[in-house]
Amino acid sequence: AQTVTQSQPEMSVQEAETVTLSCTYDTSENNYYLFWYKQPPSRQMILVIRQEAYKQQNATENRFSVNFQKAAKSFSLKISDSQLGDTAMYFCAFMKLLGNEKLTFGTGTRLTIIP
Amino acid sequence: DAGVIQSPRHEVTEMGQEVTLRCKPISGHDYLFWYRQTMMRGLELLIYFNNNVPIDDSGMPEDRFSAKMPNASFSTLKIQPSEPRDSAVYFCASSFRGGAGQPQHFGDGTRLSIL
Repeated sequence: AQTVTQSQPEMSVQEAETVTLSCTYDTSENNYYLFWYKQPPSRQMILVIRQEAYKQQNATENRFSVNFQKAAKSFSLKISDSQLGDTAMYFCAFMKLLGNEKLTFGTGTRLTIIP
Repeated sequence: DAGVIQSPRHEVTEMGQEVTLRCKPISGHDYLFWYRQTMMRGLELLIYFNNNVPIDDSGMPEDRFSAKMPNASFSTLKIQPSEPRDSAVYFCASSFRGGAGQPQHFGDGTRLSIL
């Protein structure tokens, strides 16, 4: 079974600064997918970024980028030039490549952007 | 394009009553997931369907919970009889298995309060 660990329950950072959220996972699979989802106070679950484990290049989406370290089973999210709208819970999630479509979520990190 | 649509957005009812939560997935998506989110347990997958067929219901907490998907555009999650410990936010999500690792798209959730 897969497990996803987010060791930072809460973080805060000044607006315009850069922040990195940590995520580690445990799996015996070689190929899989990793995701970051954002849940703002409105409680929507919004996909932030997706990484394929067989790609060495780190995924980026505008101000969001990941540092994917496959050997270390680490998948951190970097938010550059943070904005007030980035205030949210952030969840890391794992999906196997084949077999089923289940997502395994971490417990989340509550990020607060301070004006 | 319309996203995943859930109703109602909020539900408050008394213990013992039947509760029905509804979900309309994104058109063309062939997977549908029901999650429950609580402070204590985080995001839990309750059940998921592929092409309207339940694939894994191992997360359904007990016989009081049931889910159906009578067609590709509608699913229900029913709790009968409801109990205060069922209070949570219930999310529906859908995805398309056109290629591996497709992200799940979430609805806005139903906040359920059982008094």
